[in-house]
Amino acid sequence: SQTIHQWPATLVQPVGSPLSLECTVEGTSNPNLYWYRQAAGRGLQLLFYSVGIGQISSEVPQNLSASRPQDRQFILSSKKLLLSDSGFYLCAWSVWGGDTEAFFGQGTRLTVV
Amino acid sequence: ILNVEQSPQSLHVQEGDSTNFTCSFPSSNFYALHWYRWETAKSPEALFVMTLNGDEKKKGRISATLNTKEGYSYLYIKGSQPEDSATYLCASSGGYQKVTFGIGTKLQVIP
Repeated sequence: SQTIHQWPATLVQPVGSPLSLECTVEGTSNPNLYWYRQAAGRGLQLLFYSVGIGQISSEVPQNLSASRPQDRQFILSSKKLLLSDSGFYLCAWSVWGGDTEAFFGQGTRLTVV
Repeated sequence: ILNVEQSPQSLHVQEGDSTNFTCSFPSSNFYALHWYRWETAKSPEALFVMTLNGDEKKKGRISATLNTKEGYSYLYIKGSQPEDSATYLCASSGGYQKVTFGIGTKLQVIP
């Protein structure tokens, strides 16, 4: 069966510090991978998606970047965090495109102080 | 409608009552409509993915309908139970990869 791992679960980081959140998927090959963020009082916002190694599409201009160094590994990064980067970050994968269900990780609660 | 909108944002119902909520989405360039259930301290889990106008799907006491021409979907819960308490997310795919989520409807079922 397929599983998705996301870590850490919670993170408190000072403004200006770097960020690295990691997500890995097991039990499937060539998944579509996604990073979402839920800011306070808002819905899930798609940040990045990837259809293959090294292929990253950004949905929203921001202080964040994503990389996919391996087929089942998706990393969300920032060189310098802003207060506005605080939120709940979810990694997800799907078998195919927008007409297949997504499977979500447990999420990372990021607080920038 | 440019975004995915859900109503109401929160809802309290008595155990045993049936309830429903709405998702509105852009009807142009429609590809698929997703419903997810998100319990506190857990990951969102898919309930339904629908693509065809007139689609109706059912899973136990939960069902959903889809109208792609007018851009809305209803989620119904029959005989609500406390374990149905969760946030129900709707998401619309307007293209191959892009899935836009609504803010969700937070349901609280009171025993």
